Amino acid sequence: EAQVTQNPRYLITVTGKKLTVTCSQNMNHEYMSWYRQDPGLGLRQIYYSMNVEVTDKGDVPEGYKVSRKEKRNFPLILESPSPNQTSLYFCASKSAGRTDTQYFGPGTRLTVL
Amino acid sequence: AQSVTQPDIHITVSEGASLELRCNYSYGATPYLFWYVQSPGQGLQLLLKYFSGDTLVQGIKGFEAEFKRSQSSFNLRKPSVHWSDAAEYFCAVGATSGTYKYIFGTGTRLKVLA
Repeated sequence: EAQVTQNPRYLITVTGKKLTVTCSQNMNHEYMSWYRQDPGLGLRQIYYSMNVEVTDKGDVPEGYKVSRKEKRNFPLILESPSPNQTSLYFCASKSAGRTDTQYFGPGTRLTVL
Repeated sequence: AQSVTQPDIHITVSEGASLELRCNYSYGATPYLFWYVQSPGQGLQLLLKYFSGDTLVQGIKGFEAEFKRSQSSFNLRKPSVHWSDAAEYFCAVGATSGTYKYIFGTGTRLKVLA
């Protein structure tokens, strides 16, 4: 089954404790992206990647890191999480064309205390 | 800079009634336009997209959207709403050149009355 998977689905952590949210896709997509969803703000793009070793900032990259060492994986790293990073995070992937459909993962709900 | 405005935070309609969700965008040219639906506790699913050609676009689940360049709008419509359409709907734009960023609106939450 074609899908985007994220782990963990739920995470409660404390300020400053490094964490990684994994994202993996099995559709051989070139493009992968991370979004955060907050009430009243919709989805905001954090980072995206056009291919292996190619990443670029979205609109809200501060406090996040990403890496794209393999085509199928695009982990989101929070080196020192803060409470304002409490949010619902979505990973998405798509083929390289600008009009290609983005496929979203199920989301990761992160709470930083 | 690109931006997307969904002026209605919440909309309530009765089952069987027609629906129109508004989306206005700001972009230097005609962007690529998308509508997504998010059911409770789920990820987002593409309903339809516009990139060129016919300005009336048909999507899944009986939805359609009309691109109006003069109004910078891409409103989503459905002739007869079903209870299962209750969800949050997001309009999004993508650039036609340069950056590969996508900008989403703040969403419209649809409630359907039986």
